[in-house]
This record gives sequence, C-alpha cells and structure tokens, in this order.
Amino acid sequence: SAVISQKPSRDICQRGTSLTIQCQVDSQVTMMFWYRQQPGQSLTLIATANQGSEATYESGFVIDKFPISRPNLTFSTLTVSNMSPEDSSIYLCSVDSWPENTEAFFGQGTRLTVV
Amino acid sequence: SQELEQSPQSLIVQEGKNLTINCTSSKTLYGLYWYKQKYGEGLIFLMMLQKGGEEKSHEKITAKLDEKKQQSSLHITASQPSHAGIYLCGADMNSGAGSYQLTFGKGTKLSVIP
Repeated sequence: SAVISQKPSRDICQRGTSLTIQCQVDSQVTMMFWYRQQPGQSLTLIATANQGSEATYESGFVIDKFPISRPNLTFSTLTVSNMSPEDSSIYLCSVDSWPENTEAFFGQGTRLTVV
Repeated sequence: SQELEQSPQSLIVQEGKNLTINCTSSKTLYGLYWYKQKYGEGLIFLMMLQKGGEEKSHEKITAKLDEKKQQSSLHITASQPSHAGIYLCGADMNSGAGSYQLTFGKGTKLSVIP
C-alpha cells in the first residue's frame, strides 16, 4: 500500500499570494492526481500529474493558476497562485494504484483559507 | 479502525449480472458521495446522497442511503464491461460547521467478464 504525506495540513493566506502544497509518496507511482473540495461539494479533479511531462488540466483549471511540478515518481507539488477567497478549499493529492491494488490512496488534505 | 468500511474489496462478475457495493459507518453520514475511477484517470463523481432513505439512479446505477444515515449501497443492474473500475465512497462525517473534509472508504475493484 502507498502512504502519502501531504503538507501543509492547513494554512491561512492573504489574497494575492501563492501557496505551494507538497505531496510525497513512499513508493513510486505513475500518476498523481490533484483535487479540490469546496464546502458542501464533491471532489473536483484539478489535474493529472505524470512524471516527465506537463500536467493535464481539467476544464476550468489552468496552469497559470495551478502550476504543478512532478520531478520524480514519488513527489509532486501544486501551487495555488494569486489567491482569492474563492480559492478557499481543501486540496487533496491522490495516487493511481490501479491495477495492483484495490485501494484509493489520498493525502491528508490541505485546508486553505484565503483572507 | 477504518471509519468508513467499504465492501467487498474486489468483485468479479459476469456481464449482465447485478451487483452491490456497500459503504458502512458507525457515525452519521451527513453527505455520502460515490465515485468511480478507471485506470489512468481521476475520480468521476457518480452521485451524492444526503437524506435518510434517499435513493438516486443514473442509467443502470442506483445508490441508496439508509434511514439511519450510516450505510449506503451502490447497485449496478445488468453489469457491462464499461462498469469495470474502482468504486469509492466518500462521506462527510462532520456534524459541526467549519469542517467538511471527506473521509474515504478503501475502494472496491470491480471487474466485469464478457
């Protein structure tokens, strides 16, 4: 099974600033996913991060706002840039364990509040 | 112990057969979400349930939340190979305001044999 360490667990940031969230996995994984969960809503996929290539963004999310790095098979970062209060959310990273495992692996989440 | 128990862990069914996946908690579920994930793809949102006894259907997939709001089931009728994937339940178990982070089950890997 994969263990994911995500940090920070929470932060309060000023509008206009940027925050980088880190996700470290204890084993090599092909794909990592970044999600956003806003209050009262379901998870929304932001992007898929593959090692050695640019992240693939879902509709409504752009690289300038959410730049992602994936320097190796165990690590990824998501940056929330030029933050506004609308960016206040929980951000989650997840790894693709299919087809070897049946579990879905998530980081602990980063709760971001923008003031 | 896992706060949200999902069963079975894996399931192999013949095409055309019905199947049920369960998600159980000892705590009240204030929101229950079902997702599906295929290899190489992110989670796909299927349905959300909030009220005790609520039932929702989309195509051949039906999800229910029991009256006590502690168990949900996902039922697939006449399964097809396209239904194969990992099914994941996620729950809002936070009764207070200001906390809405979801707790996830471990997932159920469904294989459908043609």
